[in-house]
Amino acid sequence: QKEVEQNSGPLSVPEGAIASLNCTYSDRGSQSFFWYRQYSGKSPELIMSIYSNGDKEDGRFTAQLNKASQYVSLLIRDSQPSDSATYLCAVREGNNRLAFGKGNQVVVIP
Amino acid sequence: EAQVTQNPRYLITVTGKKLTVTCSQNMNHEYMSWYRQDPGLGLRQIYYSMNVEVTDKGDVPEGYKVSRKEKRNFPLILESPSPNQTSLYFCASSLWGFMNTEAFFGQGTRLTVV
Repeated sequence: QKEVEQNSGPLSVPEGAIASLNCTYSDRGSQSFFWYRQYSGKSPELIMSIYSNGDKEDGRFTAQLNKASQYVSLLIRDSQPSDSATYLCAVREGNNRLAFGKGNQVVVIP
Repeated sequence: EAQVTQNPRYLITVTGKKLTVTCSQNMNHEYMSWYRQDPGLGLRQIYYSMNVEVTDKGDVPEGYKVSRKEKRNFPLILESPSPNQTSLYFCASSLWGFMNTEAFFGQGTRLTVV
C-alpha cells in the first residue's frame, strides 16, 4: 500500500516565526500534492496545491516539491495564533485516490 | 453556496442497529468519497464513487456500504454497526477524481457505537 508520511509530534513555534512541515510519499508516479489545514473537530480545508517541482507561494504559505526525492514541504511564514491547527499532507495516487498523511499539529505560541 | 452537506453531525447508536449517514453536494461533482478519521491513524478512505452507479472500495471498506443513484448524493450505510466503527466520518467531493482540483469536505459526522 502506498504511504504518505509526516514526521510525528506537535510543532511549537513562537508567533512571527517560520513553521516548517515535511511529508514524504512512496508512490513515485504521484503527480498532485496538497496541503490541508484542519482545526480541531472541523473538516479539512485546502490551503495549497502543487504539481511541479520547485516552490509555490501563496501569501504566508510556501509549498515545496521534490519529486526525485519524493517529498513535499510546507512553510508558514510569520506564524499567527490562527495558524494553530493540524496540517495534512495529501497525495493523489492514480485517478481515484487521495491518500493522506496522519498530520502534523502546529501550535503557535503568542 | 458551494458545499458538501452531511447529516447527522452527531450520532450515538447501539451495536447492530442499521444506520445511514447522508452526504449531498451542490457542485455537480462527479467524484465523491467517504473517509473515517481516527486518532493516530489519520484520514482513511472507505469508499469512493467516480460517477452515478460507479462505486469502489477504498482502504477500509469492511462493514460499510454505499450507493450512488444520483450525482449529488452519496450515502454511507452501516448495516450492523460495531464499536470499532466509532469514528469521525467525512464525505468529500471533487470535480473529477482529484486531478489537480480541490476536494471539498463535508462538516463531518461524529459516530459513537455503544
